Amino acid sequence: KQEVTQIPAALSVPEGENLVLNCSFTDSAIYNLQWFRQDPGKGLTSLLLIQSSQREQTSGRLNASLDKSSGRSTLYIAASQPGDSATYLCAVNGGATNKLIFGTGTLLAVQP
Amino acid sequence: DTAVSQTPKYLVTQMGNDKSIKCEQNLGHDTMYWYKQDSKKFLKIMFSYNNKELIINETVPNRFSPKSPDKAHLNLHINSLELGDSAVYFCASSQFGFNGRSKDEQFFGPGTRLTVL
Repeated sequence: KQEVTQIPAALSVPEGENLVLNCSFTDSAIYNLQWFRQDPGKGLTSLLLIQSSQREQTSGRLNASLDKSSGRSTLYIAASQPGDSATYLCAVNGGATNKLIFGTGTLLAVQP
Repeated sequence: DTAVSQTPKYLVTQMGNDKSIKCEQNLGHDTMYWYKQDSKKFLKIMFSYNNKELIINETVPNRFSPKSPDKAHLNLHINSLELGDSAVYFCASSQFGFNGRSKDEQFFGPGTRLTVL
């Protein structure tokens, strides 16, 4: 059974700092991994999708990496801004039914 | 221009009532999903439909019945609501769905916060 864990559960950093969020999963047989952000009381916004054959994806200040063999993904945020404050969720897609298995999330606060 | 929309945004009701949540996507996607986010913010799949066909039913009580009149709509009907049904329900859609394509990205709606009193 696939389990997804995110560390740390919460993170507070000063504005401008670079930071890394971690996601680990127990079953390496995945099709892809998605990173989302969720603002309080809002829906999920898809940030990046990494296919199983890819090692990383970049979008603006965000860079996500994937190491299937070790069951890990990281989300790197460069030059963090207060507007980056949100909960970040990773989710793995591991089966023919295409369901996403979500991690527990990292609550990020970027202090001005 | 909303890609995945849900109505209502908030739903407050008494125990034992029956209620429905509606979802629509204008992305032309083949597959739609319902996820539940509990009080601890944990998200879990409930159902998925591909071209109006049920693909996933993740051991959800049969008081929950999804209905897909067409591939752009997936509604969720809940009978005999219980206190434990209080949660945020998210609808999502993706282009390819159950074929498990590695590039299949899921897009989520804004959520419906259900409170059962």
